[in-house]
Amino acid sequence: DAGITQSPRHKVTETGTPVTLRCHQTENHRYMYWYRQDPGHGLRLIHYSYGVKDTDKGEVSDGYSVSRSKTEDFLLTLESATSSQTSVYFCATEGGGTDTQYFGPGTRLTVL
Amino acid sequence: SQQGEEDPQALSIQEGENATMNCSYKTSINNLQWYRQNSGRGLVHLILIRSNEREKHSGRLRVTLDTSKKSSSLLITASRAADTASYFCATDDRDDKIIFGKGTRLHILP
Repeated sequence: DAGITQSPRHKVTETGTPVTLRCHQTENHRYMYWYRQDPGHGLRLIHYSYGVKDTDKGEVSDGYSVSRSKTEDFLLTLESATSSQTSVYFCATEGGGTDTQYFGPGTRLTVL
Repeated sequence: SQQGEEDPQALSIQEGENATMNCSYKTSINNLQWYRQNSGRGLVHLILIRSNEREKHSGRLRVTLDTSKKSSSLLITASRAADTASYFCATDDRDDKIIFGKGTRLHILP
């Protein structure tokens, strides 16, 4: 995961505040994904991108939006954070025709 | 959406023993992957097996795929303390997105 970074790595915020998580890759991969990981649920796909300005919803997209203005960056925004969005968020990339995903180190978000 | 389901949910074995975990899925797939996640880290890809393959090896890892039973197994031979982690299977859905199971937590006892 050396080529994928996430920021911030930890964040505590209050209900109702906007939050933006950033994923940055140096792999030049076309596809990028945002997942959340919660006990008992495994990884669930929030949104994904198949190119600059091309994004689509995943399994649990309500309350989240994304943007991808450059190949390297994929932003996840919680417009108005809720306690149910307390989770660990992972970014992943996929490219080179390998069908393999490469994960970032994760962001632990706590919404009080 | 289809999802791989790992079994068992948790497994504890002695160092040096072999560890086997299984994954079952619901609909036809193009490929199946296994990933490892160490505590507090992101997932790391271990191995991919395509639907026309039955067995694949990578170091101490052996993966089998039985498409007639819609199941796969991951065998880790001669386990080490460093193998303590969660292991996830991942299958592709009809939109070619990867769907992850909930994982097997493997604990290697010294």
